[in-house]
Parts: sequence; structure tokens; C-alpha cells
Amino acid sequence: EVQLVESGGGLVQPGRSLRLSCAASGFTFDDYAMHWVRQAPGKGLEWVSGISWNSGSIGYADSVKGRFTISRDNAKNSLYLQMNSLRAEDTALYYCAKGYYGDLVSWFDPWGQGTLVTVSS
Amino acid sequence: QSALTQPASVSGSPGQSITISCTGTSSDVGGYNYVSWYQQHPGKAPKLMIYEVSNRPSGVPDRFSGSKSGNTASLTISGLQAEDEADYYCSSYTSSSTLGWVFGGGTKLTVL
Repeated sequence: EVQLVESGGGLVQPGRSLRLSCAASGFTFDDYAMHWVRQAPGKGLEWVSGISWNSGSIGYADSVKGRFTISRDNAKNSLYLQMNSLRAEDTALYYCAKGYYGDLVSWFDPWGQGTLVTVSS
Repeated sequence: QSALTQPASVSGSPGQSITISCTGTSSDVGGYNYVSWYQQHPGKAPKLMIYEVSNRPSGVPDRFSGSKSGNTASLTISGLQAEDEADYYCSSYTSSSTLGWVFGGGTKLTVL
């Protein structure tokens, strides 16, 4: 069974940094792209970033470009999101999602349960 | 990336059919057959229901179907059941401003 477990969320002040992690199991991690998708409280879904199986292709939403960095460690079956210069509008539940294939053109299935990031002073 | 346009809400009675539209541009919905649909129940993670416009993952009932015409994709649920009440989101690969993915704003389905 595929399992995705996010961690690293919490309360952080504006301008500070946070690093999210996603531990994957139940599938061959280095065969698949991975994504981060977020959902602000009471709002819709927003794709944040994605990374191909070998980290050769990476994409970011305009709203986080230059501030967030996605990475993966295939040896540790883990996905990461380094979030810098955090803003109040980054407050959201951050989901880790497995890509359907190995490249970025790969929709999201399945999803983890999410980790909550709150940016507030 | 601009969000895709979905109706805020739709409703139907058990047994009926409903359709949720998802309108984008030639840079996303109209330019690629990479439209997917997700179901989200309150407090739960989203679940993939349709991928590549009209394909169903295993385990998704065949009451759920997808289609696309031009820049608009659609999700149809036939034979509505109470457990179908949820939020539904469309998503498309996009080449606008940057390569990536864009979601619709979501549609709340109410089963009357």
C-alpha cells in the first residue's frame, strides 16, 4: 500500500523559513515524480511544486518561485520542500502527492494527509 | 498561473446525473489531454477520480466519466449517490508562464 507521510509543519513568523518532508513507502520511489499541493483554510487546491523521478525536471507555481525549493532523496525515499521568506498567504495544509508517472506531466495519485503550515507573528 | 473556472456549487437528487464544467485556455485544458479530476470529502485528502480527460483509475465507479471540448472539460456523475457529496476539483497541465499544473477553484456537490 502506498503511504505518504508529511511532516515539518508548524507556526512560523513571516519572513522565516521552514522545511517540509514527505516520507514515502509502498512503491518504488525513484520511478515516480512527486508534487507538493497546498490548500489554504477553507479554500481550494493550489499546485506548489513538482519534481521528476531523477530531479532533472522541476517546476514551481509563480506564487512561490524564488522562495521555495523542492528536492528529493531517492536513497531515503523522501521528498522535501524548503520554504524561505514565508508570508501570511503561505498559510495552508501542504499535501505531498505521488505522480502517476516519472515526469512532471503526471497527475496526483495518491495524496498524503498533509502538514499544516501557519505563518503568523 | 490562473486558476481554471468551475461553478461554485451544483446539486442533484439521488439517481440523477450532474455535470461539472472546468474552463481554461489553450495553454492548459485546450492544449493538453492532461485534465484530471479529484474528489475531496471534508477533512480528507483529495482522491483521483479521472485522469487524461476521461480515464478512470481502478476502483472508481463507472458512474464517473470525463470529457473535453475545446477549452472546457467536464465531469459527469450519473446515478448520484449520497456518498458522492463532496468537493470536486479539476486540474490541467499548463504551459502558461511556467510549466506546471493548475487547479480549478472547486465545486461543492450537494446530493439533495
